Amino acid sequence: DIVMTQTPLSSPVTLGQPASISCRSSESLVHIDGNTYLSWLQQRPGQPPRLLIHKISNRFSGVPDRFSGSGAGTDFTLKISRVEAEDVGVYYCMQGKQLPWTFGQGTKVEI
Amino acid sequence: EAQLVESGGVLVHPGGSLRLSCATSGFTFTDYWMTWVRQAPGKGLEWVATIDFDGSDTYYMDSVKGRFIISRDNAEKSLFLQMNSLRVEDTAVYHCGRVITGASDYWGQGTRVTVSS
Repeated sequence: DIVMTQTPLSSPVTLGQPASISCRSSESLVHIDGNTYLSWLQQRPGQPPRLLIHKISNRFSGVPDRFSGSGAGTDFTLKISRVEAEDVGVYYCMQGKQLPWTFGQGTKVEI
Repeated sequence: EAQLVESGGVLVHPGGSLRLSCATSGFTFTDYWMTWVRQAPGKGLEWVATIDFDGSDTYYMDSVKGRFIISRDNAEKSLFLQMNSLRVEDTAVYHCGRVITGASDYWGQGTRVTVSS
């Protein structure tokens, strides 16, 4: 199975300031079809997971443009340009290159 | 917009069985693979099972193979998870999800399964 490792596991942030989360996979997430299946999900307190970004950098419908994803191969980053109060929650990276899908441990973003 | 609503989660004894359901609306159900992902209390996300468009292909995490069965009823636009020989470690909130290539774009609120004596 592909192991996903996130850092940091906890991220105190200041409103209006940027935040960044890193994710590393144990092997390349480049699929034979040429796409890289790395996604980022947000889970607000008491809520189900919500897809933010898929295929490294593609924001899902309705996701604010303060969220951006980057990276390649095995190293990826989620950036929030200016943290807002509604961004509090746990963020997960996930690989969808192969089954079983695997997730990072989660990064708790708190003000 | 796609909507997914899970049901069926309850308290069950170890060794017991349970069937979870996921009712969907707002999209053409037969156009998508579907999946179940779970989250144990205070823990992260864990993929459980995935099913293709018509149920002809199914995939499971190792620890549930032979115990869980994922299925779908395309006429009813519903997804199911039959859970047998339940273990304490199966305790979790179970979410159904709509699959796009390499990810799940819509998730339900989840249904809570507690396995305890």
